[in-house]
Amino acid sequence: GAVVSQHPSRVICKSGTSVKIECRSLDFQATTMFWYRQFPKQSLMLMATSNEGSKATYEQGVEKDKFLINHASLTLSTLTVTSAHPEDSSFYICSASFLAGGMTDTQYFGPGTRLTVL
Amino acid sequence: DAKTTQPTSMDCAEGRAANLPCNHSTISGNEYVYWYRQIHSQGPQYIIHGLKNNETNEMASLIITEDRKSSTLILPHATLRDTAVYYCIVRGRRALTFGSGTRLQVQP
Repeated sequence: GAVVSQHPSRVICKSGTSVKIECRSLDFQATTMFWYRQFPKQSLMLMATSNEGSKATYEQGVEKDKFLINHASLTLSTLTVTSAHPEDSSFYICSASFLAGGMTDTQYFGPGTRLTVL
Repeated sequence: DAKTTQPTSMDCAEGRAANLPCNHSTISGNEYVYWYRQIHSQGPQYIIHGLKNNETNEMASLIITEDRKSSTLILPHATLRDTAVYYCIVRGRRALTFGSGTRLQVQP
């Protein structure tokens, strides 16, 4: 159980275009979804946290107008990188969590999306 | 959330137990200790978590000291597929914050 999928797994796009990445919780309803970014040889950096039906909370330094997050349902969140540039090339990873039996909510991660902007 | 300290890298022989230490001396009473691992170019995989008591599941065991200032993740019989970066994370109410982790290399 607790499977999270991402689509696409990798994408190459031209500079100036927008790219949408989907994150789905396949076998549970996620109360919260998270978006992380990982540059080569670095650790994961949290970009934003979103709850279904409400606006995402962005971490300091992350431009909310550039990284649009939509969390339309309890099983789907999307990240749109608008007007992508080469410096946005990175590994984008989503995670989802749910409260189980009153315990703290464990985060389960998707397989990641490799974005390359030419 | 409390900060954690882990060794940068460790080696382990295949078939032997891998013991990965983590210091979290500033942990507070309502914070859990989580362990994840990341195999190259994949999303992090949840391993185990605990609050005060030792925990065991099909993947690993988590030993938390009585004062909760440190913990050890134990992979009882390491295989080559366990080669990964292992992250020890102390978490309260916020999202997981990843440090640098320990790069575990399992040697044949």
